[in-house]
Amino acid sequence: GENVEQHPSTLSVQEGDSAVIKCTYSDSASNYFPWYKQELGKGPQLIIDIRSNVGEKKDQRIAVTLNKTAKHFSLHITETQPEDSAVYFCAADVGSQGNLIFGKGTKLSVKP
Amino acid sequence: KAGVTQTPRYLIKTRGQQVTLSCSPISGHRSVSWYQQTPGQGLQFLFEYFSETQRNKGNFPGRFSGRQFSNSRSEMNVSTLELGDSALYLCASSLNVGGRTGELFFGEGSRLTVL
Repeated sequence: GENVEQHPSTLSVQEGDSAVIKCTYSDSASNYFPWYKQELGKGPQLIIDIRSNVGEKKDQRIAVTLNKTAKHFSLHITETQPEDSAVYFCAADVGSQGNLIFGKGTKLSVKP
Repeated sequence: KAGVTQTPRYLIKTRGQQVTLSCSPISGHRSVSWYQQTPGQGLQFLFEYFSETQRNKGNFPGRFSGRQFSNSRSEMNVSTLELGDSALYLCASSLNVGGRTGELFFGEGSRLTVL
C-alpha cells in the first residue's frame, strides 16, 4: 500500500541551530503535503503545508520544500527554540478521497 | 470556538471486552476522521465519516467500526479487544471530506489500555 517514510525518528539540536526533517512518499498522485506538530499530551496541530504546484513555502522560522520528481519533501526549522520541542509528523494525501497517510514522526528536542 | 472534544480521555479494558469512544467535532465541521497512534507505528488512519456516511477506510480489521450522527458527532467501536489495541485514538474534524481539502483539527485523544 501507499506509505510515507520519515527520517530521523529522533533529532536533538542546540537552541539557535537549524533542524531538518525529511519525508519520502510512494504515491506519485499525491498533491498535498502537510506537517503537523504534536506537543506532549495534545493532539497534532497543522504548522505548514505545501501543494504540488509549489516548490517551497515559508512561514517565519519554518519552511517546507518539495521535490515531486524525487517524491520527497522536507521541513526546515531555523533558529530553534525550546518551545519547538515536540513530535513532528509529515503526511501526504492518497487515493481518490485524499485521506492523509502520516509518517511515523520525529521527536525533536531543543536543548537550551 | 470550541475545539474537538473526545471522551473518555482515559480508559482501561480487559481482553475480549468492547469499547466505544466519542468525538464531537468543531461546530460546522461535517467530516470526522479517526486515527490510531502507537509508539511504533505513528498515526494510522482508521476511517473517515462525512454526512453520516463512511467515505474512507484504512487497513484495520472489522473489529474496528464507527458511525456518525446527524449532528456530526462520531463514535468508534472496537470489539473483542486485544492487547495490541492499546493506543491513543485521535479524532480529527474538518470542513470537507478528505485530508487534502484542508486542515485537520485534532482532539487530545482517548488513551485506551487493554490488560
